[in-house]
Amino acid sequence: ETAVFQTPNYHVTQVGNEVSFNCKQTLGHDTMYWYKQDSKKLLKIMFSYNNKQLIVNETVPRRFSPQSSDKAHLNLRIKSVEPEDSAVYLCASSFDWDQDTQYFGPGTRLLVL
Amino acid sequence: GQQVQQSPASLVLQEGENAELQCNFSSTATQLQWFYQSPGGSLVSLLSNPSGTKHTGRLTSTTVTKERRSSLHISSSQTTDSGTYLCASGNSGTYQRFGTGTKLQVVP
Repeated sequence: ETAVFQTPNYHVTQVGNEVSFNCKQTLGHDTMYWYKQDSKKLLKIMFSYNNKQLIVNETVPRRFSPQSSDKAHLNLRIKSVEPEDSAVYLCASSFDWDQDTQYFGPGTRLLVL
Repeated sequence: GQQVQQSPASLVLQEGENAELQCNFSSTATQLQWFYQSPGGSLVSLLSNPSGTKHTGRLTSTTVTKERRSSLHISSSQTTDSGTYLCASGNSGTYQRFGTGTKLQVVP
């Protein structure tokens, strides 16, 4: 099966903890992305990444960082979570850098208490 | 930075009617994408159309870059088209900005 996979589906944690979300794509794509969707359903891109370049949305707090071992994996680490980090985090991939036809994972819902 | 506005905010149609969704962006963009988010939350990319007119199935997108606007036309709407349609614009090498979406409800 070729798709975008995310784990965990759901995570509850407390303020100040570190969390890490995994994303793997088996589509053979070169570019991966992380998005955040808040409670108002506003969608914001956080990172765009391929083996050549990382593009960071400068509004993303420094406690967020992407981690990639190879082009099929792009994990998201949050060093010290805060209540406003509660959201759904969506991972996506596309064949090329122009973000054409992105394929999305099911999302990871984070709740920070 | 880039601002993206979508209209209408919500739309209710009878099945079979056509829908016209609008997206306006504040500065020149080399990338323009339309996304669909189902009521369950899953997100799919519909069309990438930075300029001109593009068709896929019952969807037609027309982007007039110099006027900083794009439209998404859905013909012969079906109940399964219900969900939120998101527009995103940006430039190559920078991140996209998303609009707040148009919530479409198609009733039988």
